[in-house]
Amino acid sequence: SQQGEEDPQALSIQEGENATMNCSYKTSINNLQWYRQNSGRGLVHLILIRSNEREKHSGRLRVTLDTSKKSSSLLITASRAADTASYFCATVRMDSSYKLIFGSGTRLLVRP
Amino acid sequence: NAGVTQTPKFQVLKTGQSMTLQCAQDMNHNSMYWYRQDPGMGLRLIYYSASEGTTDKGEVPNGYNVSRLNKREFSLRLESAAPSQTSVYFCASSENRGRTEAFFGQGTRLTVV
Repeated sequence: SQQGEEDPQALSIQEGENATMNCSYKTSINNLQWYRQNSGRGLVHLILIRSNEREKHSGRLRVTLDTSKKSSSLLITASRAADTASYFCATVRMDSSYKLIFGSGTRLLVRP
Repeated sequence: NAGVTQTPKFQVLKTGQSMTLQCAQDMNHNSMYWYRQDPGMGLRLIYYSASEGTTDKGEVPNGYNVSRLNKREFSLRLESAAPSQTSVYFCASSENRGRTEAFFGQGTRLTVV
């Protein structure tokens, strides 16, 4: 099974609202990363949070990490129609494998 | 600045045929990855190369082989294609063994009939 599981699987909101996506994982991690994928395209990196960090911001994005609960959340504030995409979390385990393992993703639809 | 380049972009194979997917990066990254993405699903790691000269299995390696030809290039080979290998394949690279962001190619859409 995959390391990360996103929740919800799909999210539909109105433009201007905030969107929150959650990611849970199973093993200790070195870092957790969030990526965005527009339909039919490659993935684009959004933000990386290390295991010793609790919160990180980048523009309209806010990511939190709770290592005790093995979970992370991605908040997109003041969403726009252009934010419509799939969002994935990915983890790098705290071992020597260096594997970058992705979750199943959240499909976000922002209605104009 | 090309980033990560995958070839071909599209391919149709007959069951049992073989082919190699090519990936090259121009960012001097140490680590490279191959993923597959099935419709409506996340990415699953097939193989990865933490650094030049090393390769290791990911989550779904069966039916695939890889070659890290040099620091720039990482190829994925299907020896005997099966319909279950119909998918979109993505190559990615990162500077430092997953400790930094990964950059993705645009994908290869493979159909096995």
